[in-house]
Amino acid sequence: AQTVTQSQPEMSVQEAETVTLSCTYDTSESDYYLFWYKQPPSRQMILVIRQEAYKQQNATENRFSVNFQKAAKSFSLKISDSQLGDAAMYFCAYRFNTDKLIFGTGTRLQVFP
Amino acid sequence: GAVVSQHPSWVICKSGTSVKIECRSLDFQATTMFWYRQFPKQSLMLMATSNEGSKATYEQGVEKDKFLINHASLTLSTLTVTSAHPEDSSFYICSASNVADRGFNQPQHFGDGTRLSIL
Repeated sequence: AQTVTQSQPEMSVQEAETVTLSCTYDTSESDYYLFWYKQPPSRQMILVIRQEAYKQQNATENRFSVNFQKAAKSFSLKISDSQLGDAAMYFCAYRFNTDKLIFGTGTRLQVFP
Repeated sequence: GAVVSQHPSWVICKSGTSVKIECRSLDFQATTMFWYRQFPKQSLMLMATSNEGSKATYEQGVEKDKFLINHASLTLSTLTVTSAHPEDSSFYICSASNVADRGFNQPQHFGDGTRLSIL
């Protein structure tokens, strides 16, 4: 069975600094999709970034980028120039050949001014 | 675009009553919708996959008779918590995929969630 693990329950970063959130997953599949979602206090789920496993190039979205290591089954999220509005729960998620998303346990990110 | 509306956003009711939560895709059609449950400070746990025009697919450990799902149209899925008890109190979130989107790298679109409190 596929599983997603986020080993950091909480992280903190100072405004304008860079922080990396870790995610590992377990799968026997070769073609799948990975996502990072953000859940602010409003509890709305917001897509941050996504990565196709068949692509070697790491995805980037403005200040957000990933380090995708397929062999190591690792999918970390880097947030550059952190802003106060980045404070939220961050969930890593995996999807294989169905619509079903499997979420990690989440990392709470605090941003200090 | 790609808005999912979930209603109600918050409901408080007495133990033993049934509560219906609606999930609507406002500007797209969704043959499949998903229902998640989230306890405080925990992750989203998939409860069931709602399929338009057919029976829902429940995850292991989720009681079908407790959590009734109906997906009667391409824009509406409902979750009914029957004979709710305090342990059913939780945050329930739905999501939907646009039938027009191709590929599983396309995101699911989430509703804003429903906070259910059973007294």
